[in-house]
Amino acid sequence: KQEVTQIPAALSVPEGENLVLNCSFTDSAIYNLQWFRQDPGKGLTSLLLIQSSQREQTSGRLNASLDKSSGRSTLYIAASQPGDSATYLCAVRAGNFNKFYFGSGTKLNVKP
Amino acid sequence: DAGVIQSPRHEVTEMGQEVTLRCKPISGHDYLFWYRQTMMRGLELLIYFNNNVPIDDSGMPEDRFSAKMPNASFSTLKIQPSEPRDSAVYFCASSPGVYNSPLHFGNGTRLTVT
Repeated sequence: KQEVTQIPAALSVPEGENLVLNCSFTDSAIYNLQWFRQDPGKGLTSLLLIQSSQREQTSGRLNASLDKSSGRSTLYIAASQPGDSATYLCAVRAGNFNKFYFGSGTKLNVKP
Repeated sequence: DAGVIQSPRHEVTEMGQEVTLRCKPISGHDYLFWYRQTMMRGLELLIYFNNNVPIDDSGMPEDRFSAKMPNASFSTLKIQPSEPRDSAVYFCASSPGVYNSPLHFGNGTRLTVT
């Protein structure tokens, strides 16, 4: 069964720092990996989608990488800002029925 | 593209009452998922549909929960009777049928059972 783990569970950094969030999954047979952002009391907003054949995707200050063989993905946030404070979740799509498997998220706090 | 639409945004009800949550997926999406999110348990998959057919309902916690998808543009999640421990945010999400497609979430329904 696919399991997705995100470490750390929480992270606090000063504004301006570059940071990396980690996501690992147990079964490398995935279709894609998606990173989401969730603000308190809000829904999940998709940030980046990486197909299984891709190694990375970039959007603005965000860069997501995928290493299927090792079952890992990272989300790199450059020059962090207080507005980046949120919970970040990763999910992999896998299996015969195209299910999405979610990690428990990393709660990021960027201090002014 | 209007996105995934959920209603109501907030629902407050008394224990024992029936609750119905509604979802309209993005047009053309073949997959529809119902999730529940709590502080204690995080995001849990309750049930999902493919082409209006329930595929996996193993996440539905009890017989008090039921979900239907009568057509491609509408789904409901019903709790009868509701209990305080059902208080959570319920999300609906949809995805195209192509296996490498992304997941799109609605804004959720915050349910409070007193």
